[in-house]
Amino acid sequence: DSGVTQTPKHLITATGQRVTLRCSPRSGDLSVYWYQQSLDQGLQFLIQYYNGEERAKGNILERFSAQQFPDLHSELNLSSLELGDSALYFCASSADGLGDEQYFGPGTRLTVT
Amino acid sequence: GESVGLHLPTLSVQEGDNSIINCAYSNSASDYFIWYKQESGKGPQFIIDIRSNMDKRQGQRVTVLLNKTVKHLSLQIAATQPGDSAVYFCAENNNDYKLSFGAGTTVTVRA
Repeated sequence: DSGVTQTPKHLITATGQRVTLRCSPRSGDLSVYWYQQSLDQGLQFLIQYYNGEERAKGNILERFSAQQFPDLHSELNLSSLELGDSALYFCASSADGLGDEQYFGPGTRLTVT
Repeated sequence: GESVGLHLPTLSVQEGDNSIINCAYSNSASDYFIWYKQESGKGPQFIIDIRSNMDKRQGQRVTVLLNKTVKHLSLQIAATQPGDSAVYFCAENNNDYKLSFGAGTTVTVRA
């Protein structure tokens, strides 16, 4: 157990809908990272927050957004969902936000039908 | 068992043998590297990391080797066990606050 928690574990929704994925980092970690893992793309970095502020952005679509709250938990919002958004979404956390030593949560499996 | 060359997507190894998983990284400016193990239905699990000022680092039954000259990283698993069956990813930090992951190698341990 990495200490990173993610909810929900599974999510099934229809195209065009909006969902919110939630992540709580390890105790003491200030930074959260979101990754998408699909069969053909591997693990792709989406976005990083450090102590409430966005620090780095990857290949995140404009339909996706995220935020980190004062209690350091983070939410990833996915809107206007398409079939191709079906994937595993992982959250990771680290202490210093430099990208090193990230610990991953169990993931949320999103299925868009 | 050993995956030779730049990268092989699968590796089959006999239980009790040593495994070597190879990874070629892309950015010569990367200064931090990490290996993850991902079992089916689970998130990536931290195995071992190494900084660019080191060539070798050892953990429990695992060793990571870094060759900066050819931008090559390897993970050695001693006395491979059935529980080692998983997908193994290498990742690098390009000093840009994130990890860039390789394609992964699926390791299957034969009894």
